[in-house]
Amino acid sequence: AQTVTQSQPEMSVQEAETVTLSCTYDTSESDYYLFWYKQPPSRQMILVIRQEAYKQQNATENRFSVNFQKAAKSFSLKISDSQLGDAAMYFCAYRSVKSSGDKLTFGTGTRLAVRP
Amino acid sequence: DTGVSQDPRHKITKRGQNVTFRCDPISEHNRLYWYRQTLGQGPEFLTYFQNEAQLEKSRLLSDRFSAERPKGSFSTLEIQRTEQGDSAMYLCASSLGSGGHQETQYFGPGTRLLVL
Repeated sequence: AQTVTQSQPEMSVQEAETVTLSCTYDTSESDYYLFWYKQPPSRQMILVIRQEAYKQQNATENRFSVNFQKAAKSFSLKISDSQLGDAAMYFCAYRSVKSSGDKLTFGTGTRLAVRP
Repeated sequence: DTGVSQDPRHKITKRGQNVTFRCDPISEHNRLYWYRQTLGQGPEFLTYFQNEAQLEKSRLLSDRFSAERPKGSFSTLEIQRTEQGDSAMYLCASSLGSGGHQETQYFGPGTRLLVL
């Protein structure tokens, strides 16, 4: 079974600065998807960014980018020019290509605080 | 498109009572997922439907839990004889499953259950 580990329960960043959230995962599969989801306080979870394992190029979405190291099974999220609205729980998630249903396996999350 | 909706948003019940939650997915989405999220944890997969067929159930889904999606549209999750350990946020997500690489799970706001 796949596992996802987020070793940073809480992180803090100054507004306009850059922060990196860590995620490692364990799998025996070669093809899969990785995601970062954001869950703001009392609001629903939204997708931040997605990475397909077969792609070597790191995904980027505006201020959000990932550092995908397949051999190391590492998938970190970098948030540049942090904004107050970035404060939220961030979850790293894994999805197998082979299994049916595309269920997501989540890490325990990192709570990000943004200091004004 | 109003997104994924869930009802109720909050439910307080006494131990031993039955509760039922409803999820309305995005209208054209054929896949629907239920997850459970406890405090300080990431969401955990419970079950998954493709149209009206329940295709996968987690071992977390005890006999007291039942989910349905009778017409392939909305879904209900029922918990019978609730226990205090059932207290959690129950999240619903939907996606357009086509086997392609662009599927994204869109989450609802969740139903927070408290069992006294």
